[in-house]
Amino acid sequence: ETGVTQTPRHLVMGMTNKKSLKCEQHLGHNAMYWYKQSAKKPLELMFVYNFKEQTENNSVPSRFSPECPNSSHLFLHLHTLQPEDSALYLCASSPRRARETQYFGPGTRLLVL
Amino acid sequence: RKEVEQDPGPFNVPEGATVAFNCTYSNSASQSFFWYRQDCRKEPKLLMSVYSSGNEDGRFTAQLNRASQYISLLIRDSKLSDSATYLCVVNGYNNNDMRFGAGTRLTVKP
Repeated sequence: ETGVTQTPRHLVMGMTNKKSLKCEQHLGHNAMYWYKQSAKKPLELMFVYNFKEQTENNSVPSRFSPECPNSSHLFLHLHTLQPEDSALYLCASSPRRARETQYFGPGTRLLVL
Repeated sequence: RKEVEQDPGPFNVPEGATVAFNCTYSNSASQSFFWYRQDCRKEPKLLMSVYSSGNEDGRFTAQLNRASQYISLLIRDSKLSDSATYLCVVNGYNNNDMRFGAGTRLTVKP
């Protein structure tokens, strides 16, 4: 049973909608990550938070807005997405940022119409 | 050159076969190496870390070759349940974040 949960598990939204993805980790970790996984492509790191501070933003479009209110919770706010943003969005955590095993949540499968 | 490259496969092998995957990486300063396993429509899960001296966990053996900048995963006596995509993971150029390969798909058949 994973210590990282994500909601919702599936999401269909129109291009003008605003939605949020939620991630919660119960492992006492201090680093949290958002990844995007598209078909037949490697996981793309989007954002990294370490002790609630954003330490990485891998040139992600502003229509994706992360929020990390505490070390256990991570959100990804979505606004005016494009169809090419349809993908599996995975949250992960690790004890600290830096070269450690990451534990993944089950992901949110997003479809943008 | 991609930071982490894997043969996408698919590898189709019979039960009981031995199969090996390689993964090459571009950052010669990388220090952390992992193999993850991802089942269809599921999240990646750690299979094993890869240590400099090589390491074994049951039927799985991981090796690191720093000179040639690749890591390998050997699976002996394949089981049907080994069918999955195997992801190679290496820490990236900024030394703090992990970079994933696109994965190698393995199907073990009866």
